Amino acid sequence: KNQVEQSPQSLIILEGKNCTLQCNYTVSPFSNLRWYKQDTGRGPVSLTIMTFSENTKSNGRYTATLDADTKQSSLHITASQLSDSASYICVVGNTGGFKTIFGAGTRLFVKA
Amino acid sequence: EPEVTQTPSHQVTQMGQEVILRCVPISNHLYFYWYRQILGQKVEFLVSFYNNEISEKSEIFDDQFSVERPDGSNFTLKIRSTKLEDSAMYFCASSGTENTEAFFGQGTRLTVV
Repeated sequence: KNQVEQSPQSLIILEGKNCTLQCNYTVSPFSNLRWYKQDTGRGPVSLTIMTFSENTKSNGRYTATLDADTKQSSLHITASQLSDSASYICVVGNTGGFKTIFGAGTRLFVKA
Repeated sequence: EPEVTQTPSHQVTQMGQEVILRCVPISNHLYFYWYRQILGQKVEFLVSFYNNEISEKSEIFDDQFSVERPDGSNFTLKIRSTKLEDSAMYFCASSGTENTEAFFGQGTRLTVV
């Protein structure tokens, strides 16, 4: 069964600290893996997208990694800011990337 | 900056009624999507649309649902005979290709009473 599992479910960190969010997937055939940031009540905003051949992608303070062999990805946030408080969602695409499977997200709280 | 726009932002409808949710994707995008997010749950894929036809759909997207691109700019999701469990946030998204960034709209919150 195609599944995307994220951990931790929630995370509290102090402003300025780094954190790493995890994503494991069993989606096959694999097309791409995306990380999104979703503020409460808003639409998801794309952070990174990686295809099979890519193992790292950066977007400012966000760095995503992908290990297609172990079917794991991580999202590393550097020097967190209060505005980073949101849900971070891992999304895996198959069959050409059209049909996407969403993880449940990690809820990140950044405190001053 | 180009964006995906959705209307209305909130729709309340009576059970059994039909609703049409509207989306204007980014103008040069070719791939369009609808997603659903029930309150407190994860986002779920409904359907993708390319070249004026459905390219993929999920198990959720049954005969109650249909999509249409009636003109060169709008992309609509029709839900027939709405049920209480259809209450959710519905997101539209678009992308240039299947492997490039997808841009989401701000969603339509559908409440079925």
